[in-house]
Amino acid sequence: EAQVTQNPRYLITVTGKKLTVTCSQNMNHEYMSWYRQDPGLGLRQIYYSMNVEVTDKGDVPEGYKVSRKEKRNFPLILESPSPNQTSLYFCASSLARRRDEKLFFGSGTQLSVL
Amino acid sequence: GESVGLHLPTLSVQEGDNSIINCAYSNSASDYFIWYKQESGKGPQFIIDIRSNMDKRQGQRVTVLLNKTVKHLSLQIAATQPGDSAVYFCAGLRWGMDSSYKLIFGSGTRLLVRP
Repeated sequence: EAQVTQNPRYLITVTGKKLTVTCSQNMNHEYMSWYRQDPGLGLRQIYYSMNVEVTDKGDVPEGYKVSRKEKRNFPLILESPSPNQTSLYFCASSLARRRDEKLFFGSGTQLSVL
Repeated sequence: GESVGLHLPTLSVQEGDNSIINCAYSNSASDYFIWYKQESGKGPQFIIDIRSNMDKRQGQRVTVLLNKTVKHLSLQIAATQPGDSAVYFCAGLRWGMDSSYKLIFGSGTRLLVRP
């Protein structure tokens, strides 16, 4: 089944404790992206990657890192989480070809930073 | 700056009625628009899309209308069912000259279906 898989679904951590949220897609998509979703603010892009070893900042990159060493994986790293990073996170992927731009989303990771 | 937004945070409709969810955008350079449905506890799911060279596109029970003159997008759901209850997002996508790819989401409208 074609899908974007994020782990974990739920995560509670404390300020300053490094964490990684994994994301994997099995559709051979070139484009991958991370979003955070906060009430009243919709989905805001954190980082995106157009292809392997190519990553760029989105609209809210501060406090986050990403890597794209393989096409299928795009982990989101919080080196020193803070309470304002408490949010619902989504990973997404697409072919990002003109005329085929549909974005597929994972099921989300609810992160709470205490 | 560019933005994509929705008119109403919540829309309540009677089961069986038609629903219309609206969205406005500010960037006339957007090439492509998508509507997503997000059910509680799930990620956004693609519903329907439309390109900027079209003004209407129909799917199964859903129709998207695009009015580029007033930069307005709407999603119409026919014969709304309880399973349509969700948050609906519109998103606008723009391809840059450098092949960059930017998708901007609105804040969402929660559709509530009354039995």
